[in-house]
Amino acid sequence: GAGVSQSPRYKVAKRGQDVALRCDPISGHVSLFWYQQALGQGPEFLTYFQNEAQLDKSGLPSDRFFAERPEGSVSTLKIQRTQQEDSAVYLCASSLVGLRTYEQYFGPGTRLTVT
Amino acid sequence: AQKVTQAQTEISVVEKEDVTLDCVYETRDTTYYLFWYKQPPSGELVFLIRRNSFDEQNEISGRYSWNFQKSTSSFNFTITASQVVDSAVYFCALSEAEDSNYQLIWGAGTKLIIKP
Repeated sequence: GAGVSQSPRYKVAKRGQDVALRCDPISGHVSLFWYQQALGQGPEFLTYFQNEAQLDKSGLPSDRFFAERPEGSVSTLKIQRTQQEDSAVYLCASSLVGLRTYEQYFGPGTRLTVT
Repeated sequence: AQKVTQAQTEISVVEKEDVTLDCVYETRDTTYYLFWYKQPPSGELVFLIRRNSFDEQNEISGRYSWNFQKSTSSFNFTITASQVVDSAVYFCALSEAEDSNYQLIWGAGTKLIIKP
């Protein structure tokens, strides 16, 4: 497809379950970002990949959050032992070049609800 | 410290009115980039514009225009003759070129409601 895609679009998990969120960036885009967006707020940075290298994971809120991009294209954000405070929309974005000063193109997000 | 302030939490206007969304930023760097994104009710953030700190020329794209003023550290966004489809949350964001981290600094967003 032409844009960034994310799956699933909606995920309901029981507290304590593990979840995996997938992001397919725009083909050829070097940079990939994950964000967490709570209702009524702006995106909060989680982590950044340049190709397969995770160059910044300073935004991951705890060691229950883990992201990978093993082949430099598709990325997965995994949340272990989900908690209610993890409920949010998780956004993925990609950018053509390896500089965050370039525009990012966002996917539709995955809305995670932890019950 | 880097900071982006969008003081207007919500704006409501009637269709065809002009509306300006304010964005004020703080940075110590001389080289930086400013962005505007639109987030319609569907949820997907849509890139609108990127402006670097050395280009103070105002930009116009159809009904959209942006006014970048370094003297007041502002990068305001105006929609002329607003339409219902413009209803969305609009975010302003800042990136410093010399910074070693990879984070965009986002404003809190302004919710724009265009009434028919």
